[in-house]
Amino acid sequence: DAGITQSPRYKITETGRQVTLMCHQTWSHSYMFWYRQDLGHGLRLIYYSAAADITDKGEVPDGYVVSRSKTENFPLTLESATRSQTSVYFCASSEGLASYEQYFGPGTRLTVT
Amino acid sequence: QQQVKQSPQSLIVQKGGISIINCAYENTAFDYFPWYQQFPGKGPALLIAIRPDVSEKKEGRFTISFNKSAKQFSLHIMDSQPGDSATYFCAASTGNQFYFGTGTSLTVIP
Repeated sequence: DAGITQSPRYKITETGRQVTLMCHQTWSHSYMFWYRQDLGHGLRLIYYSAAADITDKGEVPDGYVVSRSKTENFPLTLESATRSQTSVYFCASSEGLASYEQYFGPGTRLTVT
Repeated sequence: QQQVKQSPQSLIVQKGGISIINCAYENTAFDYFPWYQQFPGKGPALLIAIRPDVSEKKEGRFTISFNKSAKQFSLHIMDSQPGDSATYFCAASTGNQFYFGTGTSLTVIP
């Protein structure tokens, strides 16, 4: 089915470990986004990508790395996880940037112990 | 610094009542103001959006009111239903900037 999927849905990892969250969309949207959702902060943009091999920082990029070798995939890597990165992570995609509807995935709940 | 300030943090409304959620912004360059609805365990989904060239947009029971001079916009949910119980996020964007509010948890009591 068409849509946007994230994996894993739940992840527990230890401080200092590397972890990668996956995002896959089937609409061929140009833009893809990664957000983190925390109580009291709402949704904050981590990184976004305008096309394959084009990425840019959002509001809270520190500690995260992204890549986009294929249009449909946009993985997010925490190179050395910290407890402050415990959060729910949402991937989204859209046809354009600021004035276009963003379609969100179901989220990944990450706990760093 | 919060680019978009949203209030209240939580809201309880009786079935059939009107739910009102407010947002304020500072950056006058913002030119797109969407509202997203999020149910527990799901990702947000676009509910309704407005551009600053209109003062109001209505879609069914959902209305956005926009006050450009006050740099404020609000979501009104008429005849609120228990199925409207969710978290609502306002947002504002322009160019390569996109900011969400902190969210409002709405509970509609039957």
